[in-house]
Amino acid sequence: DPKIIQKPKYLVAVTGSEKILICEQYLGHNAMYWYRQSAKKPLEFMFSYSYQKLMDNQTASSRFQPQSSKKNHLDLQITALKPDDSATYFCASSGTGGNYAEQFFGPGTRLTVL
Amino acid sequence: LAKTTQPPSMEAYEGQEVNVSCSHTNIATSEYIYWYRQVPHQGPQFIIQGYKDYVVNEVASLFISADRKLSTLSLPWVSLRDAAVYYCIVTDKGNAGAKLTFGGGTRLTVRP
Repeated sequence: DPKIIQKPKYLVAVTGSEKILICEQYLGHNAMYWYRQSAKKPLEFMFSYSYQKLMDNQTASSRFQPQSSKKNHLDLQITALKPDDSATYFCASSGTGGNYAEQFFGPGTRLTVL
Repeated sequence: LAKTTQPPSMEAYEGQEVNVSCSHTNIATSEYIYWYRQVPHQGPQFIIQGYKDYVVNEVASLFISADRKLSTLSLPWVSLRDAAVYYCIVTDKGNAGAKLTFGGGTRLTVRP
C-alpha cells in the first residue's frame, strides 16, 4: 500500500486558474513538505510543516498556499496559475525517531499550465 | 549551509561496483551526510546517511573521510534498476521541518 498519496497524478490547467494538489501520508510522521521539480532543474524546496504549523517557506510567491486540515494532510493550493508553474510537485514527510532529514517522498503530481 | 560538489555523470556496466564521490568542504559539526536517488518519474528515495567513518546498510555503503569533507557512496553489483540521479545532501537531521537542498546530482547510467 502506498504510504504517501498524491492526487491527482497528472493535472492540466489553464493560465489564471486555481488548482489544489492533494497529499496524504500514512507513515505517522509529524513533518510534511512540498518540493517542486521543473524540467531539467534540481528539486526545489517550497514549504515545511511540523505538527500542522508552517516551519519554513522558501516560495517567493503568495500564489502558493499550503493547507493542513489534518496532521497527515498537506495540500497545496496554487492560484493565478502561470505557464512557469508547470512542474512536478512532490510531497514528502519525515519524523521517524527525530530524523527529519530522512524524508519519504510521494510519487508527485505533474502539473502542466497552458 | 554546506555546499556539495558531485560529478555530473558516471557510467558503469551491470555487476560493477560504483563509487560516487561528494565534496562538502564547509560541512558544519552539526550536519550529517545524506544520499538520495531519483529514478525518472518518481520522487527521491533515501539511501543512506552518516556522520563519520563508515556506514553500511542493505543497499549501499558510505565512507566519510576523517575530516568529513569528502564522502563516497558505494553501490555494489549495480543493475539496470540502479540507473538514477544520485544526490548528496548535508544537513542537520534533528531540525523539524528541515529542508533538503538538492543540487544537480550525479546521473548514473548503467549499461547491460
